[in-house]
Amino acid sequence: EAGVAQSPRYKIIEKRQSVAFWCNPISGHATLYWYQQILGQGPKLLIQFQNNGVVDDSQLPKDRFSAERLKGVDSTLKIQPAKLEDSAVYLCASSTGTFVYEQYFGPGTRLTVT
Amino acid sequence: DQQVKQNSPSLSVQEGRISILNCDYTNSMFDYFLWYKKYPAEGPTFLISISSIKDKNEDVSFTVFLDKSAKHLSLHIVPSQPGDSAVYFCAARFGNEKLTFGTGTRLTIIP
Repeated sequence: EAGVAQSPRYKIIEKRQSVAFWCNPISGHATLYWYQQILGQGPKLLIQFQNNGVVDDSQLPKDRFSAERLKGVDSTLKIQPAKLEDSAVYLCASSTGTFVYEQYFGPGTRLTVT
Repeated sequence: DQQVKQNSPSLSVQEGRISILNCDYTNSMFDYFLWYKKYPAEGPTFLISISSIKDKNEDVSFTVFLDKSAKHLSLHIVPSQPGDSAVYFCAARFGNEKLTFGTGTRLTIIP
């Protein structure tokens, strides 16, 4: 089966610019996660969707980050405007359900903000 | 507040020997623990997990041990092979709450 797809793989922008990331989860996976992984740290959950509804966005900086999962399949994460501290790898993951522990991760998007 | 800690940023082990990766946690409510493996430029891949009702779980060459009294878990890899060189993350969860990840340990297997 195809894995979690993400694009772009790399992105370099200047601070105050905007950027968007795209994720297509494994077919049939109802739950989708966006993580931020800063260099030297573990992944931190930004937002979790169950189908097209938000389950947890408590750690999403809502003044600049937004995410949507229209039609309950693929998802986009947007940052506007970007700050230097947003430089990180943004990982998308999916699982068959909220109560399932195993999450399958995509390759990530490495964002550099200059 | 780092609830899941991996105090060794790196570890080098001779090929064929045992690799032991350690993880400590502070939240006694955690009831499920997972290990993920990550190669460069790839996303983390699930390796093995353990429920808090167990103290050991084995899968081929990976064994995870859980010591609830010490709030400590470890991953044993036997025998260690060059393909095991990667960054290993432990993660913990309470109920259906979000996963909390450690900072990772970079394992290098020396041929």
